[in-house]
Amino acid sequence: EVQLVESGGGLVQPGGSLRLSCAASGFTFSSYWMHWVRQAPGKGLVWVSRINSDGSSTSYADSVKGRFTISRDNAKNTLYLQMNSLRAEDTAVYYCARSPPGAEYFQHWGQGTLVTVSS
Amino acid sequence: EIVMTQSPATLSVSPGERATLSCRASQSVSSNLAWYQQKPGQAPRLLIYGASTRATGIPARFSGSGSGTEFTLTISSLQSEDFAVYYCQQYNNWPPRLTFGGGTKVEIK
Repeated sequence: EVQLVESGGGLVQPGGSLRLSCAASGFTFSSYWMHWVRQAPGKGLVWVSRINSDGSSTSYADSVKGRFTISRDNAKNTLYLQMNSLRAEDTAVYYCARSPPGAEYFQHWGQGTLVTVSS
Repeated sequence: EIVMTQSPATLSVSPGERATLSCRASQSVSSNLAWYQQKPGQAPRLLIYGASTRATGIPARFSGSGSGTEFTLTISSLQSEDFAVYYCQQYNNWPPRLTFGGGTKVEIK
């Protein structure tokens, strides 16, 4: 069974940093592209970032480009999101998600971790 | 960026009735369109990909149709567990600028 478990969320002040993790199990992690998707309280879903299977290619939404960095450790079956220069508008539940080979929809999702940016 | 517009924002339906949800893309996304269901406090769940292919384990009462810019999700006979928010998502861009619609809430009438 595919499992994705996020961690690392919490309360951080504006301008601060946080690193999210997503532990993957139940599949060959190194074979799949992975994503982060976020959802502000009471709002819709927003794609944040994507990384290919070996970590050599990444993409970001314009709203986080230059502030967030996606990475992965295939030996540890773990996806990361380093978030710097956090703003109030980054407050959201952050989900990691797996896409199938050759297509970028979200086949499996974690349960999410809440990031709150507030002073 | 491809803008996805869903309508209506809220759909009131009685159990057993048919529900029809719409999703429009600001430019053609071919058949690169997925639908998700999200219940309160839960992660989204993939229902449909490729505009019309049901994901594993999704009941046959869910069906998707359309291509290009106009898409429809139909729930043929609403069950109590189907009351939720539904999102469409396009995955046609490269490099990826994956975008979601704003969602349609299906509520009990």
